[in-house]
Amino acid sequence: AQSVTQLGSHVSVSEGALVLLRCNYSSSVPPYLFWYVQYPNQGLQLLLKYTTGATLVKGINGFEAEFKKSETSFHLTKPSAHMSDAAEYFCAVIGWSASKIIFGSGTRLSIRP
Amino acid sequence: EAGVTQFPSHSVIEKGQTVTLRCDPISGHDNLYWYRRVMGKEIKFLLHFVKESKQDESGMPNNRFLAERTGGTYSTLKVQPAELEDSGVYFCASSLLAGVIVNEQFFGPGTRLTVL
Repeated sequence: AQSVTQLGSHVSVSEGALVLLRCNYSSSVPPYLFWYVQYPNQGLQLLLKYTTGATLVKGINGFEAEFKKSETSFHLTKPSAHMSDAAEYFCAVIGWSASKIIFGSGTRLSIRP
Repeated sequence: EAGVTQFPSHSVIEKGQTVTLRCDPISGHDNLYWYRRVMGKEIKFLLHFVKESKQDESGMPNNRFLAERTGGTYSTLKVQPAELEDSGVYFCASSLLAGVIVNEQFFGPGTRLTVL
């Protein structure tokens, strides 16, 4: 079975500071990992995904994540936060049936001016 | 190209009433998914259609929930009768090809259901 744990339900950083959102996963098979973002009053949007190959994946809006198998982690980072990054972020893994997405509980990112 | 649309955006009903949520996937997408986020919890899978067939309905909470996708186009999710614990945001997603593992799922904005 697959599961995802996001550390920290709320993260606040200053504009221009590093953004680090933590995600750990559990999977009995090689995982496919995702980060989704939900801006206010909008649907979930795919930020980036890891399937195979390069373990550092780049996504939209300057975000990137690194798959670390030894640590079962897939943390999301952005070097310099922007006010427009304020949103809720979800780490996710594809389940064994290869259809349903299993989500973490979400991390709300706030940006301080 | 229009994205996934959901109607209504918000519904407030009394306990015991019936509510029907609608999802229109992106045109041509075979796969359609329903997910739900109960307040403060994670987003959880409800079910998956491939065209008009239910591929996986393991996440449906109980028999008060009925999902249909007649003709393999739009889908409805009916809750009858609604209970307080059904409150939450219901998301619909669609993806293009059947049988492709990491095909991207495109999500709608969700329907916020409040049961009083």
